[in-house]
Amino acid sequence: GQNIDQPTEMTATEGAIVQINCTYQTSGFNGLFWYQQHAGEAPTFLSYNVLDGLEEKGRFSSFLSRSKGYSYLLLKELQMKDSASYLCAVEAAGNKLTFGGGTRVLVKP
Amino acid sequence: GAVVSQHPSWVICKSGTSVKIECRSLDFQATTMFWYRQFPKQSLMLMATSNEGSKATYEQGVEKDKFLINHASLTLSTLTVTSAHPEDSSFYICSARDRGNGYTFGSGTRLTVV
Repeated sequence: GQNIDQPTEMTATEGAIVQINCTYQTSGFNGLFWYQQHAGEAPTFLSYNVLDGLEEKGRFSSFLSRSKGYSYLLLKELQMKDSASYLCAVEAAGNKLTFGGGTRVLVKP
Repeated sequence: GAVVSQHPSWVICKSGTSVKIECRSLDFQATTMFWYRQFPKQSLMLMATSNEGSKATYEQGVEKDKFLINHASLTLSTLTVTSAHPEDSSFYICSARDRGNGYTFGSGTRLTVV
């Protein structure tokens, strides 16, 4: 079966850095995605990792270690608009995307 | 970039009626589309994989006779919730594999069954 774990909630201060961890155990691995989702809206793509290492994209970075079944999303210089849910998703066997439970990030002034 | 259009964005229906949700890939062909359901404060749960020209593949626990999926063309997949009940009220989202090997999501449909 597929098991993807991430913390339920995190709180951080505007301008700070937050790291959201994701661990996974899946049947096969084709890649790992991070999405941002505001309440009532569809997820929007943030990052994609298929090889080990760090992918940097502006204020957002994502890291992957396939041997450890571990990824994290790093959000720097937090802004109020970053308050949202962040979803870790693994593309595994059958080319299907399986999502973790999502992490709600609350950015406080 | 790739765009997936989903509508309606919200619908209210009476218990026992059926509701159809459409998902279209606007600027690319999608042989495979995916349907998800999301309950409040929960993550996306894959319901089924829609395959153009063939039967959909349903996830365990999803009733295929209740959630009818049709993928008649390379740009359109539909999900019909048949004989809807209040427990079917949820946020339904479709997605498609886009040209860049990522997944593009529709804007979602909020279904409320009264």
